[in-house]
Amino acid sequence: ELVLTQSPGTLSSSPGESAILSCRASQRVPSRYLAWYQQKPGKAPRLLIRGGYTRATGIPDRFRGSGSGTDFTLTIDRLVPEDSAVYFCQQFGGSPLYGFGPGTRVEIK
Amino acid sequence: QALLQESGPGLVRPSETLSLTCSVSGGSITSDYWSWLRQAPERGLEWIGYLHFTGNTTYTSSLKNRVTISLDKSKTHFSLTLTSVTASDTAIYYCARHRGASFDPWGQGIPITVSS
Repeated sequence: ELVLTQSPGTLSSSPGESAILSCRASQRVPSRYLAWYQQKPGKAPRLLIRGGYTRATGIPDRFRGSGSGTDFTLTIDRLVPEDSAVYFCQQFGGSPLYGFGPGTRVEIK
Repeated sequence: QALLQESGPGLVRPSETLSLTCSVSGGSITSDYWSWLRQAPERGLEWIGYLHFTGNTTYTSSLKNRVTISLDKSKTHFSLTLTSVTASDTAIYYCARHRGASFDPWGQGIPITVSS
């Protein structure tokens, strides 16, 4: 089974700062099969990054995906209050075929 | 881009069958892959299965004996059927379109409770 682990569990930061979110896989994941989502309370997840580093339509360049192998990172620059959300990483190709990490909660105060 | 909307009952009794529909507007199901996913607090996000517009399907192994995803003949919506539900099937259910190896967009989600 391919397990995704995300850290930290919760990240508290201030407007204008940067946040670095980690996603670690128990097996190698091709970067083209790694995605990131943002979920706000009561809403569906929204695709931020696909293919490891390609921003989805309408996603500002403050959101950057990077990494390879088993270690991937989502960096959010110049944090704004609206970035408060839970962020999930997702892989394709392992077992299960599509799997998600448990999420990192980002709080902007 | 396509808009997706889930519909179905909010409450299902244990051992019964859950049936959900995903209506697609602003796009066509005659291309791409389409999935059902669910999210429960104790289990997180879970992919259930996908449907290709040709009618081919693939399901996650833990649910494959109970789940069916099908395409309506009108090709304006697709459905999820989950048999013999238990309390552990209580979750928010989402439908989504595939974007490569990711999901975009998602429907707004429909909360489903399994309880007598």
